[in-house]
Amino acid sequence: DARVTQTPRHKVTEMGQEVTMRCQPILGHNTVFWYRQTMMQGLELLAYFRNRAPLDDSGMPKDRFSAEMPDATLATLKIQPSEPRDSAVYFCASGLSLADSYEQYFGPGTRLTVT
Amino acid sequence: KNQVEQSPQSLIILEGKNCTLQCNYTVSPFSNLRWYKQDTGRGPVSLTIMTFSENTKSNRRYTATLDADTKQSSLHITASQLSDSASYICVVSAYGGSQGNLIFGKGTKLSVKP
Repeated sequence: DARVTQTPRHKVTEMGQEVTMRCQPILGHNTVFWYRQTMMQGLELLAYFRNRAPLDDSGMPKDRFSAEMPDATLATLKIQPSEPRDSAVYFCASGLSLADSYEQYFGPGTRLTVT
Repeated sequence: KNQVEQSPQSLIILEGKNCTLQCNYTVSPFSNLRWYKQDTGRGPVSLTIMTFSENTKSNRRYTATLDADTKQSSLHITASQLSDSASYICVVSAYGGSQGNLIFGKGTKLSVKP
């Protein structure tokens, strides 16, 4: 049963610390998305990649956030330095882009708390 | 401005009853509309994806409708079960091939009570 995996599932850190979240997309999927979810804003797209190339990261605060795909099996989202307003659940999703309306499969999320 | 609005914000129904969730959007040019179900503490799971030419799509007890003229969609849940308690999120994709053009609604929180 293929799934998107994310680590860690929970992270508590102090303001100013670096946070790295990892995602393993479903094998064979060529598109990876990073989302952030808060009670106030709902789901927001931060960045996405196709064939490991970043296609859109306009939703991401560039000064502190960075997203990369070092290889096809790993996507990372890094926050440096973290701030309390970054507290949220971060989801990774993957899909196989053969048409415009393909499925996205979400991971379980990383719940980040910045104190 | 591209927007997706869902109503109601929250809903409580008794087990076995039917309910309908609404999604209105102003996204243009329209590509497709998705409904996701998100259980508490989990990632969203896709229920349906509807393109411009599709009016109705069913997935077990879930039936989604799309009226591209009025830019409205609904998700009808038949014979609700306790496991239907979740948030239901409507997502509209703008045409252009870029999956970054996804506009999310804030969701409807459904509680099914015994």
